[in-house]
Amino acid sequence: ILNVEQSPQSLHVQEGDSTNFTCSFPSSNFYALHWYRWETAKSPEALFVMTLNGDEKKKGRISATLNTKEGYSYLYIKGSQPEDSATYLCALGRGEGSQGNLIFGKGTKLSVKP
Amino acid sequence: DAGVIQSPRHEVTEMGQEVTLRCKPISGHDYLFWYRQTMMRGLELLIYFNNNVPIDDSGMPEDRFSAKMPNASFSTLKIQPSEPRDSAVYFCASSYLDRVKSYGYTFGSGTRLTVV
Repeated sequence: ILNVEQSPQSLHVQEGDSTNFTCSFPSSNFYALHWYRWETAKSPEALFVMTLNGDEKKKGRISATLNTKEGYSYLYIKGSQPEDSATYLCALGRGEGSQGNLIFGKGTKLSVKP
Repeated sequence: DAGVIQSPRHEVTEMGQEVTLRCKPISGHDYLFWYRQTMMRGLELLIYFNNNVPIDDSGMPEDRFSAKMPNASFSTLKIQPSEPRDSAVYFCASSYLDRVKSYGYTFGSGTRLTVV
């Protein structure tokens, strides 16, 4: 059974704090690593898709890095704002003919207090 | 582009009744996925289709669950008979292979199912 692990499960920070969370995954047959942002009562929205070892992606105050050899990705949020409050999901795509399928972690729930 | 369209948004049904959830993927997407979200297990894949063909249904909990994709623009997930433990939010998502490497999935708004 493949496991995509995310830590921490939840995180409470003050507005203006910078924060980061981790996604760990089996490194064999790696195809792609996705990060999604999931606000309450909405559907997940794709933030980043990374495919190469050493990839770094950035969107505003949010950035992500990827290490496919050791099987982890970090998501960073600089200067957290209340509107960043959401659950952040990572998802692993693997090869072996199942490139279209993603395995999701359980997410890190971020709460930013004003 | 209207996105992935799911219906109904909410469904409340009695135990033992048949429930049908519907999904219209984005035109041109060749992958369609059904996920179930629960507090205990997070977002778990039930089944996915490629070019209307079921590829992996190993996540379907039991024979009470079935899914079809009769054409590229429509899919159903059916639960018969429904049980209270089936209560969850069911998401449909679509993609095409290049997007898996570039942009990711597009999710529908989900169907919140409550079985009483």
